[in-house]
Amino acid sequence: DAKTTQPPSMDCAEGRAANLPCNHSTISGNEYVYWYRQIHSQGPQYIIHGLKNNETNEMASLIITEDRKSSTLILPHATLRDTAVYYCIVYNAGNNRKLIWGLGTSLAVNP
Amino acid sequence: DAGVTQSPTHLIKTRGQQVTLRCSPKSGHDTVSWYQQALGQGPQFIFQYYEEEERQRGNFPDRFSGHQFPNYSSELNVNALLLGDSALYLCASSFNPSGGDTQYFGPGTRLTVL
Repeated sequence: DAKTTQPPSMDCAEGRAANLPCNHSTISGNEYVYWYRQIHSQGPQYIIHGLKNNETNEMASLIITEDRKSSTLILPHATLRDTAVYYCIVYNAGNNRKLIWGLGTSLAVNP
Repeated sequence: DAGVTQSPTHLIKTRGQQVTLRCSPKSGHDTVSWYQQALGQGPQFIFQYYEEEERQRGNFPDRFSGHQFPNYSSELNVNALLLGDSALYLCASSFNPSGGDTQYFGPGTRLTVL
């Protein structure tokens, strides 16, 4: 079973920041938080990942709470192309290299 | 730099038939993982190949088998197809020195079993 909990759907206005939450209260110390997104019927696209510290790349920012029990993916200026299902995944790169997916959050960016 | 590629894009088979799906990893990657995604669901892990061996397997029957070639490309074979095997099959590649490997996905193969 997935170790994460995400809201099933969210809306965001174009040009505004989209903040997607994820709960992972049972995360272990050596497990990473990964975010992928999937635009309808396409392969998942890697967005960002982190272990303890906040991370930023050209696509998004990842904010991880100090206790690591939750995180937020931030798309700073959402566009219509960001409409997709966003998956938050807890990943153990050591013993268990498989990605365990939940149902994700369906983000709709509205004009 | 080519990303992960998969072939074919779409495939239609009938029950009982066998199918082979192919995957070429991203340049520099040596590990290939396969996932099955039913409509409206998240992907489900099938198995992972590294150094031409199956390293880990998900909860899938033996009808699902795979292979990795010396050039790191991989095949997924499904025998005795069932209607429930209809899904999007995803291949992901990664580079695995000692862990911490991000998986990058191909566009998928849409399999329809009639």
